[in-house]
Amino acid sequence: NAGVTQTPKFQVLKTGQSMTLQCAQDMNHEYMSWYRQDPGMGLRLIHYSVGAGITDQGEVPNGYNVSRSTTEDFPLRLLSAAPSQTSVYFCASSSVEGVVGEQFFGPGTRLTVL
Amino acid sequence: GDSVTQMEGPVTLSEEAFLTINCTYTATGYPSLFWYVQYPGEGLQLLLKATKADDKGSNKGFEATYRKETTSFHLEKGSVQVSDSAVYFCAPGNSGGYQKVTFGIGTKLQVIP
Repeated sequence: NAGVTQTPKFQVLKTGQSMTLQCAQDMNHEYMSWYRQDPGMGLRLIHYSVGAGITDQGEVPNGYNVSRSTTEDFPLRLLSAAPSQTSVYFCASSSVEGVVGEQFFGPGTRLTVL
Repeated sequence: GDSVTQMEGPVTLSEEAFLTINCTYTATGYPSLFWYVQYPGEGLQLLLKATKADDKGSNKGFEATYRKETTSFHLEKGSVQVSDSAVYFCAPGNSGGYQKVTFGIGTKLQVIP
């Protein structure tokens, strides 16, 4: 199993550009989440999904969209990139049959917005 | 909502020193508790967990005990190695059962030879 994969690993955008961060998992997990990691702030939840076709907002959703058309994929879209979105983004998945809160993380995407 | 408090660090220790990273939390009910570790340039990975009061989670020489009375889950290791240099995150699972985890800000540990 590849686990949770994320692409790209690094990305540089200009202010106003849009892009999609890809996330896929091959563990058939129902739950998937996107976090951003910033110095001194830990991880903050952006959006999450409890199953295909179901998404919800987390702590910091503004400026981001998500969709969940399949169990495997959970892309994160930046609609109009801003310097404040410079961060490291992590995707995570978990199973309804596992311990509540136990998550599996991807390797991250480091995004810089100029 | 749930919250967690842990020291930010950095914590610098010599090899073979004793490590304690404190973690206290607030939560509704009795959530499972986790420590995640992030090695440089990588994503987070589960280090250890405890699912009920008085449980002790352990892995790779690290231990943490679920203390319901003090709402704490302190991480300890008796003898750290250079390879333990990483950022450690304390995280109570959401007691509401929605697989949402509240993460601490992370404690950076640097172990010097």
